[in-house]
Amino acid sequence: AQSVTQLDSHVSVSEGTPVLLRCNYSSSYSPSLFWYVQHPNKGLQLLLKYTSAATLVKGINGFEAEFKKSETSFHLTKPSAHMSDAAEYFCVVVSIGGSYIPTFGRGTSLIVHP
Amino acid sequence: EAGVAQSPRYKIIEKRQSVAFWCNPISGHATLYWYQQILGQGPKLLIQFQNNGVVDDSQLPKDRFSAERLKGVDSTLKIQPAKLEDSAVYLCASSSDRGHTDTQYFGPGTRLTVL
Repeated sequence: AQSVTQLDSHVSVSEGTPVLLRCNYSSSYSPSLFWYVQHPNKGLQLLLKYTSAATLVKGINGFEAEFKKSETSFHLTKPSAHMSDAAEYFCVVVSIGGSYIPTFGRGTSLIVHP
Repeated sequence: EAGVAQSPRYKIIEKRQSVAFWCNPISGHATLYWYQQILGQGPKLLIQFQNNGVVDDSQLPKDRFSAERLKGVDSTLKIQPAKLEDSAVYLCASSSDRGHTDTQYFGPGTRLTVL
């Protein structure tokens, strides 16, 4: 069995300040982990993914995430928020050795204030 | 490269009516997914195809939902009869393979409202 918990439904930051979106996972097998972003009226787009290589993963638009097995976490960060980062962010787990069914978290809405 | 296409973009129906959604994945992508995204929630996988075979449909309400993928290319998802709780955005996605590392490419979705 696998599951994903996004710890915050909403995160509010000011432009130019750091962003932290938290994700914890549960998996009976080794996981692959993904972050997708959904801008208003646009389709879901991949930000970055962890697939058992380097634990620090860099993605598009300055985002990065660190896989921490001991903490079962895959938090998304960005040093400096931009207005265009305002969107819904989803953490996704797919278990290696399982049935490869992707499981999405409930999402975190990132609000960026000028 | 063309993205994942879905139609219609919006659909409003009365409860107990039927509705069908169509998806055309990225050319050459073997795996196709249908998700249901209820407002305020993350997408929930309904069915996953590998070519024209079903990999998983454990979360598909089979008493009212059905899906097919003819010739391993485009796919249709049908609801018959619809209930109020089926109001959601239905997302189609595709990936090049079924591996656990594959990136999914999503279509724009179909927003269904059941009155």
